[in-house]
This record gives sequence, C-alpha cells and structure tokens, in this order.
Amino acid sequence: EIVLTQSPGTLSLSPGERATLSCRASQSVSSNSLAWYQQKPGQAPRLLIYGASSRATGIPDRFSGSGSGTDFTLTISRLEPEDFAVYSCQQYGSSPLTFGGGTKVEIK
Amino acid sequence: EVQLVESGGSVARPGGSLRLSCAASGFTLDGYGMTWVRQVPGKGLEWVSGINWNGGSTGYADSVKGRFTISRDNAKNSLYLQMNSLRAEDTALYHCARGYSSGWYGRFDLWGQGTLVTVSS
Repeated sequence: EIVLTQSPGTLSLSPGERATLSCRASQSVSSNSLAWYQQKPGQAPRLLIYGASSRATGIPDRFSGSGSGTDFTLTISRLEPEDFAVYSCQQYGSSPLTFGGGTKVEIK
Repeated sequence: EVQLVESGGSVARPGGSLRLSCAASGFTLDGYGMTWVRQVPGKGLEWVSGINWNGGSTGYADSVKGRFTISRDNAKNSLYLQMNSLRAEDTALYHCARGYSSGWYGRFDLWGQGTLVTVSS
C-alpha cells in the first residue's frame, strides 16, 4: 500500500499570499497518477488536479500541481477568500487507492 | 443537475448490516467506474471500494474485504454498498464518487454529499 504523507498539517496564510502544499509517497506513484482535492466544511470533495499537474474542468489557473515519483506539490499562487479549505492528495496508480491525511489552509 | 445522492446511512449495532445506495441524476451511470470513499468527521478520506462500469471488476480496501460488497444497477442508475459484520471503526460519512473512466481505478470528478453510518451498541 502506498502511504501518502501531507505537510504541513495546517498552513496559516493571508489572502493574496502563496500556498505551497506537499504530498510525499512511500513509493513511486505509477504514471504520476496523483490527484488533489479541495474540501470545505459540510461539502463534498472537489477535484482540482489530476495526473499530478493537469487542472480539472473549471479550476482557476491560480491552482497548479507539480512533481513526480514520490514528491508532489500543490501551489495556490494567490489565495482568494474561497480557497481556505482542506486539501487532500490521492494516488490512483495502484490498489488500494489511498489518500493523504490532508492539509488545512486557514486564514491567518 | 448532474449529481450523486447517497442514502441508507443510520445507526447499526456491531455485527449488524446496512445497505447504502447512491442515485445518479443528470447523467447516465453506465460507462463510468464508481467508488465509495468514507470519512470520519474531522479526519481524512479513506477509499473503501470501487467497481468498473459493468460490475465485472471490483476492488476493496483490506479493512472491509470480506465484509462489504459493492454492486451497481445501471438500469436504475444506482450504486450500492452492502455492509455486513459492521464494526465501530466503520463509523463514518460514506461518499459515492464517479470515476473519470470505465474502470474503478482513477480520480473522482463528481462526489455526493455523503450518508452517515454510525456503528454503536
């Protein structure tokens, strides 16, 4: 099983600042099969990034993903008020599919 | 509106059973792989089970293997999760989600709001 470790657990930033979130895998993720999701309280997760760096439909270009192998990053270039949420990574290259524990981006 | 709506969650005794349903609307379930993901409130997401477009291939997390069974009825545009031998650690919000392709591996581009399962004596 591929274990995904996200860091930091919580990121305290102000609107307009840049957010950098990390997702590290215990072994190489096949074909960069890594996705990022955003989840707000009381809402379902929303797909942001797939294939490590491709934005999902309708996702603003301030969200970007990068990385390969075992190290992946989600970057939010300039935080908007609606971006404060929990972000989770997921690998779908091998079974069982696994998620990271999440990073909470909170308003400083 | 394109959406997934889960139902069937409730309180169950340890050792008991529940059947969750997920109804798709605004699109045809046929052709898509589907999955169940659970989340303990305040905690991370945990993949539970997936099924390919025609039910011919399924996958399960080790934590539920042998106890849970995923199935689908494309004619009814619905997905199901039969949960047997329930344990306290199965307590969570259960989401169904649509895969991006016909297989059960993959990313999930549409999620339901979830149905709450509580296992308690």
